[in-house]
Amino acid sequence: AQKVTQAQTEISVVEKEDVTLDCVYETRDTTYYLFWYKQPPSGELVFLIRRNSFDEQNEISGRYSWNFQKSTSSFNFTITASQVVDSAVYFCALSEADFGNEKLTFGTGTRLTIIP
Amino acid sequence: GAGVSQSPSNKVTEKGKDVELRCDPISGHTALYWYRQSLGQGLEFLIYFQGNSAPDKSGLPSDRFSAERTGGSVSTLTIQRTQQEDSAVYLCASSRLRFGSEGYTFGSGTRLTVV
Repeated sequence: AQKVTQAQTEISVVEKEDVTLDCVYETRDTTYYLFWYKQPPSGELVFLIRRNSFDEQNEISGRYSWNFQKSTSSFNFTITASQVVDSAVYFCALSEADFGNEKLTFGTGTRLTIIP
Repeated sequence: GAGVSQSPSNKVTEKGKDVELRCDPISGHTALYWYRQSLGQGLEFLIYFQGNSAPDKSGLPSDRFSAERTGGSVSTLTIQRTQQEDSAVYLCASSRLRFGSEGYTFGSGTRLTVV
């Protein structure tokens, strides 16, 4: 069974600080996909990144970076020099590459508040 | 359209009534998902459609819930004899490629309130 754990329920940081959101996953498949989504106060989920289990290279996109470590089953997300607009709920999700079982399993989310 | 469209955006219904929620995926997207998000909670998988394959209904919480997808496009989620615990935001998502190769695009959701 697949499972995603986001142990941090809520995080608050002062603007311009760096912040890391943790994500730990469980799966029995060797091929799987990991995702991060942002849900701002408006409510609509925004896709941030998808990572293939065979690609452990870290990725950077502007102020966002992701650290994927299969050894610890973690896919952490760091925001550098945080801004007020980063305030949102962030969800980590997992999909197994299994035809017939293609659902996306989400963690419970981390509510990030950036204090101006 | 440019995005996933869901209607209505808000629905208030009396306990025991049936409701229908609609999802218009992005044109050309073969995969369509329904999720439920209760207040302050994560997203709970309900059902998944992929092309002409039989849907994955493993997440439907009871037989009061059903969904169909006509012509590989529009989907309707039906909840019969609504209960207060059905109150939640119902989200629809679609994807052009399998396994979300380009990510899944979510709609704005339907907020269902059962009174």
